Amino acid sequence: DVKVTQSSRYLVKRTGEKVFLECVQDMDHENMFWYRQDPGLGLRLIYFSYDVKMKEKGDIPEGYSVSREKKERFSLILESASTNQTSMYLCATISYRLYEQYFGPGTRLTVT
Amino acid sequence: QQQVKQSPQSLIVQKGGIPIINCAYENTAFDYFPWYQQFPGKGPALLIAIRPDVSEKKEGRFTISFNKSAKQFSLHIMDSQPGDSATYFCAVYFQRAGNNRKLIWGLGTSLAVNP
Repeated sequence: DVKVTQSSRYLVKRTGEKVFLECVQDMDHENMFWYRQDPGLGLRLIYFSYDVKMKEKGDIPEGYSVSREKKERFSLILESASTNQTSMYLCATISYRLYEQYFGPGTRLTVT
Repeated sequence: QQQVKQSPQSLIVQKGGIPIINCAYENTAFDYFPWYQQFPGKGPALLIAIRPDVSEKKEGRFTISFNKSAKQFSLHIMDSQPGDSATYFCAVYFQRAGNNRKLIWGLGTSLAVNP
C-alpha cells in the first residue's frame, strides 16, 4: 500500500510566521505535488516536483516555495504566512509507470 | 482557465437513486480520465478511471460513460447508499514532455445520499 504522510493534521500559525509543511512518501514515486483545497474552488496546484531538486510552479505559487532534497520528501514553505493562506493543504504523488495519484490526509492550516 | 468543467456543484438523492455527475473537457490531448472520491477529513482517493478508447467502464456500482466526440464523461452511481455521501472530483490526465505527469481537476461535486 502506498503511504503518503503529512507532518501535521492541524496547524495554527500567526501572520508573518514562516511555516513548513512536510510530506513523505514510501513508494519511490518520482512526481510529488502540493495542492490547496478551499470550498467551491476544488484542488488548486501550488507546486510540483518531478525529481529531486527539480520543481515547477503550479497554478497558484505566489507566497509559497518548495524544497525536494530527497526523493521521498517534499516540503511546502510559506515564507510569511498570511490569513488568506488559511486552507487545507494536500500532498500527493504519482508514479511514471502508473496513473493513480495518491494523496496524504491533508494539513488544515489556520493563520490568525 | 478552467479546462475541466464539472457539474452539478452539489447533489442530493434518496437511497437507491442514481446520481449522475458530469465533466466536460477542452483539450483532446488528455489521455486518462479518473474520478476521485473524498470523504471529510481525508485526501481524495481514486474511485474509477477510463481511457479514451472505451465508451463505458463499470466497477461495482460505479460506472463511467465516456463520449469522446462531445469531450464529456460522466460518473453514475447505481443503487446509491448513504455511505456514498462524499465529494467527487473528475480529472483529466496530462502527460507532459519527458516523465512529467499532471492532473487537471474539476471543482468537485458534493453528494449527499439520504437514508
